[in-house]
Amino acid sequence: DQQVKQNSPSLSVQEGRISILNCDYTNSMFDYFLWYKKYPAEGPTFLISISSIKDKNEDGRFTVFLNKSAKHLSLHIVPSQPGDSAVYFCAASEANSKLTFGKGITLSVRP
Amino acid sequence: NAGVTQTPKFQVLKTGQSMTLQCAQDMNHEYMSWYRQDPGMGLRLIHYSVGAGITDQGEVPNGYNVSRSTTEDFPLRLLSAAPSQTSVYFCASSYSGRSSGNTIYFGEGSWLTVV
Repeated sequence: DQQVKQNSPSLSVQEGRISILNCDYTNSMFDYFLWYKKYPAEGPTFLISISSIKDKNEDGRFTVFLNKSAKHLSLHIVPSQPGDSAVYFCAASEANSKLTFGKGITLSVRP
Repeated sequence: NAGVTQTPKFQVLKTGQSMTLQCAQDMNHEYMSWYRQDPGMGLRLIHYSVGAGITDQGEVPNGYNVSRSTTEDFPLRLLSAAPSQTSVYFCASSYSGRSSGNTIYFGEGSWLTVV
């Protein structure tokens, strides 16, 4: 039973446009959500997070939106740059505990 | 600043062989963990440790052993490798096991192939 779902395996966008990466979850007890970015042959690195008491968190070009009623969060990257091409993992935790990761989505930003 | 260091980066094993993946961190983090990444499966937690002398199982612990004799090191042992353990392994560390306000640092990964 997959509790964190990233249903789209890949996304391709034009440089300068917006990238929207989606993530759904089934466990209503999740209260903290994170996005990690991973380049080939490297370990994942933390990108941005959001607590369940918020519905939006912004950090530069990256914004994460949380819709608790829909159990859905999304990562917006504006404007997208070629260096953003990577695998993005959505992750969630319950009661500040261990993380559950989604399968990841591969973002390709075309120059 | 080395961060989280994993060795070896690549390894090929024969079925039934044993080996240890090494992991060391120099950030004095209490919490360390091992994940495996498989195509279409994301990152799955194998084992974790909240401090020296304390370990616990994650989501997919079967076939793996761990120990935590020091704060710095958290080796992952495969006692009898199986082809199903072919994967990319990531070691991670953080100040605590709390997810909020607590950045998890990952190593660069160890590519293991069992033939």
